[in-house]
Amino acid sequence: NAGVTQTPKFRVLKTGQSMTLLCAQDMNHEYMYWYRQDPGMGLRLIHYSVGEGTTAKGEVPDGYNVSRLKKQNFLLGLESAAPSQTSVYFCASSYGTSGVLEQFFGPGTRLTVL
Amino acid sequence: EDKVVQSPLSLVVHEGDTVTLNCSYEVTNFRSLLWYKQEKKAPTFLFMLTSSGIEKKSGRLSSILDKKELFSILNITATQTGDSAIYLCAVAPPNTGTASKLTFGTGTRLQVTL
Repeated sequence: NAGVTQTPKFRVLKTGQSMTLLCAQDMNHEYMYWYRQDPGMGLRLIHYSVGEGTTAKGEVPDGYNVSRLKKQNFLLGLESAAPSQTSVYFCASSYGTSGVLEQFFGPGTRLTVL
Repeated sequence: EDKVVQSPLSLVVHEGDTVTLNCSYEVTNFRSLLWYKQEKKAPTFLFMLTSSGIEKKSGRLSSILDKKELFSILNITATQTGDSAIYLCAVAPPNTGTASKLTFGTGTRLQVTL
């Protein structure tokens, strides 16, 4: 099992460019999440999904869009990148059953917006 | 707004020392508290605590929750250089049928020197 994988690992964008980050999991998890991690801020939830075809906003959703067309994939899009979106992005997934709260994280994508 | 505060922010110890990391929380609804270890990349799960006063233990690591005083501690005994990491604390709300959105603290950066 690969667990949770993310592509790309690194990316540099210019202000105004767009890109999509891909997250894939092979654990048949129902729930998937996108976080960003900034120095001194901890992990903050951007968007999440409770199942294929569903998405919801997290704590810091502005400037991002997501899609979950397949259960194993969760895409994070930046339509018009801004320097404030320079961060490390983590995807995570978890089981959908109650009581199982552990989230499994991917290795992260380091994004720099110039 | 839910809040999770970790202390200290950073800590440098010598190999063999014992360390105690703190996590306090202010949340409107609490279900469980989770500890993660983050080395260079993805956070990895350590413990989940739901009941007050019951210690969870794994090797040299242990953790306990105090639901009355709203805090948890993570102890690491006989520290090793491999314990150097950021330790993250997160709280989970009650299961309301949606994804368990974790609220993370900013983390404690632990460095263990020889």
